[in-house]
Amino acid sequence: DGGITQSPKYLFRKEGQNVTLSCEQNLNHDAMYWYRQDPGQGLRLIYYSQIVNDFQKGDIAEGYSVSREKKESFPLTVTSAQKNPTAFYLCASSKSGNQPQHFGDGTRLSIL
Amino acid sequence: DAKTTQPTSMDCAEGRAANLPCNHSTISGNEYVYWYRQIHSQGPQYIIHGLKNNETNEMASLIITEDRKSSTLILPHATLRDTAVYYCIVRVGGYGGSQGNLIFGKGTKLSVKP
Repeated sequence: DGGITQSPKYLFRKEGQNVTLSCEQNLNHDAMYWYRQDPGQGLRLIYYSQIVNDFQKGDIAEGYSVSREKKESFPLTVTSAQKNPTAFYLCASSKSGNQPQHFGDGTRLSIL
Repeated sequence: DAKTTQPTSMDCAEGRAANLPCNHSTISGNEYVYWYRQIHSQGPQYIIHGLKNNETNEMASLIITEDRKSSTLILPHATLRDTAVYYCIVRVGGYGGSQGNLIFGKGTKLSVKP
């Protein structure tokens, strides 16, 4: 079935470590997005990519980095510069900017 | 901040229609109304969206008032699996930043009861 796959479902990070969250889609969508959700809160946009080899900062990009080397993949790295990384991370994709975004099931990141 | 206002919570009896209201009095002419829902610990699920006309798909119907300042999501025959937080979002087309950002507010927690 077509969809968006995020892995791992749960991730633990030690202080000072960088960790990378995976997001893969087989929907042939051009656009991909990363959001962060904190408990009881809405989603906040971290980065988005309209097309391969291009990406833009969202509202809370500091401490994060992304790459878009393939259409189907948009990994997110949470760097040690992100001081409050504990959150639920959601990846989404859409056919274009005007089309609905479809989400994966998320990765829950915690600090050890 | 979210551009929409929704009730914090609602109950609905199983098998009945669930009508979820949303106010978006400052909506612009080029902004669409989107509905998503989120079941605990899962990613949001797209339900439906519209600009001016009422829309229907296999999941729900969307009724938008003529002045576009409010809308109602209708789940025609609610089941226990429809228990979730429902988000009403207005956005223009585009990708992120000042345009196209999916701004999720607090949403409405719908509880479908047997």
